[in-house]
Amino acid sequence: GQQVMQIPQYQHVQEGEDFTTYCNSSTTLSNIQWYKQRPGGHPVFLIQLVKSGEVKKQKRLTFQFGEAKKNSSLHITATQTTDVGTYFCAGGTGGFKTIFGAGTRLFVKA
Amino acid sequence: DVKVTQSSRYLVKRTGEKVFLECVQDMDHENMFWYRQDPGLGLRLIYFSYDVKMKEKGDIPEGYSVSREKKERFSLILESASTNQTSMYLCASRTGMKNTEAFFGQGTRLTVV
Repeated sequence: GQQVMQIPQYQHVQEGEDFTTYCNSSTTLSNIQWYKQRPGGHPVFLIQLVKSGEVKKQKRLTFQFGEAKKNSSLHITATQTTDVGTYFCAGGTGGFKTIFGAGTRLFVKA
Repeated sequence: DVKVTQSSRYLVKRTGEKVFLECVQDMDHENMFWYRQDPGLGLRLIYFSYDVKMKEKGDIPEGYSVSREKKERFSLILESASTNQTSMYLCASRTGMKNTEAFFGQGTRLTVV
């Protein structure tokens, strides 16, 4: 079936370093969403990308959707301790289902 | 403020018990979902519902059933709990339009002993 692979599974960074997580789908996606889950919390929606090659920014976060609509990335510039948590990508299939990646857990050392 | 509320934050049940996990949303959303979250596996879809009394199997429906008698409420049922169903369960809802964001409940951490 359809899968969305997300790497890395874990990332440890020093505060101020950059961080990137990548998602790859086995099939073309209708859209990609990104969620953040703080430790002990629930996933919270960050952003959605719909167009091929789309790039969106939220302050220090940059989101990209690949030209073929099969891959996406989230890049955080100059991480802060408030960035800790697990980042999930979620691929839209065109229907009601959304396929989540396994998530990347980010640890930030002050 | 939008809200998805799960009935319990923590639950401990015995093997073989019938377990009900309840989820209520106050946003008049058509679509509701149940996921389980396990380390390294992300969120896996158990069941979803796109309307009252309508349900669809997700990727891992075995051992689970669901009920949606009212639009705002979506229940997950473990007919006979087993230890391999120990997990974090997350309910989510979103509008009936495609490509919309999902709103999650706070999660229920279920332990089956």
